[in-house]
Amino acid sequence: DAGVIQSPRHEVTEMGQEVTLRCKPISGHDYLFWYRQTMMRGLELLIYFNNNVPIDDSGMPEDRFSAKMPNASFSTLKIQPSEPRDSAVYFCASSLLQVGTDTQYFGPGTRLTVL
Amino acid sequence: DQQVKQNSPSLSVQEGRISILNCDYTNSMFDYFLWYKKYPAEGPTFLISISSIKDKNEDGRFTVFLNKSAKHLSLHIVPSQPGDSAVYFCAASNNNDMRFGAGTRLTVKP
Repeated sequence: DAGVIQSPRHEVTEMGQEVTLRCKPISGHDYLFWYRQTMMRGLELLIYFNNNVPIDDSGMPEDRFSAKMPNASFSTLKIQPSEPRDSAVYFCASSLLQVGTDTQYFGPGTRLTVL
Repeated sequence: DQQVKQNSPSLSVQEGRISILNCDYTNSMFDYFLWYKKYPAEGPTFLISISSIKDKNEDGRFTVFLNKSAKHLSLHIVPSQPGDSAVYFCAASNNNDMRFGAGTRLTVKP
């Protein structure tokens, strides 16, 4: 398996623009997670899905952030409108079993820069 | 609300010596703990874990120790190698939640 795939790897945009990050989890994994990494807060869990259904989105910072998982092999994280403080590395991860009992496999991340 | 804290943002050790990375958590409901390792421009990768029913788990050069009463865990790497230089994230979880620390950047000098 190719592992978790994320695109784009780098995104530079201007404040106010819409940004869409994409993720393809490992085939057969039922859980998908979106994280944000910053220097100050480390890895923050934004949202996770089980069988394409959002389970916990309490980490989503604001209404400007939204995530979808239309099918088992694809998820998006959208920021609209983007702001400079959204600049971070965004990781997608997937796991076979539920949170807390199974290893999560991370993608390479998308480095987002909002000017 | 930082439920998992790694108070040392960086650590530097000499090759061959022991590296000790520390992690504290606040939520007593966490019952599973993991360490992830991250190289630049890559995603974190799983390194080692420990269940709350144990106080030690060893895998080669890596050992994780858990002190539940103190809500503290540590990762020991011995002997440290230059290839161990990376950012190490501590994570704590239960059935519904997983929280990561901010990470500790380990540098192993030759």
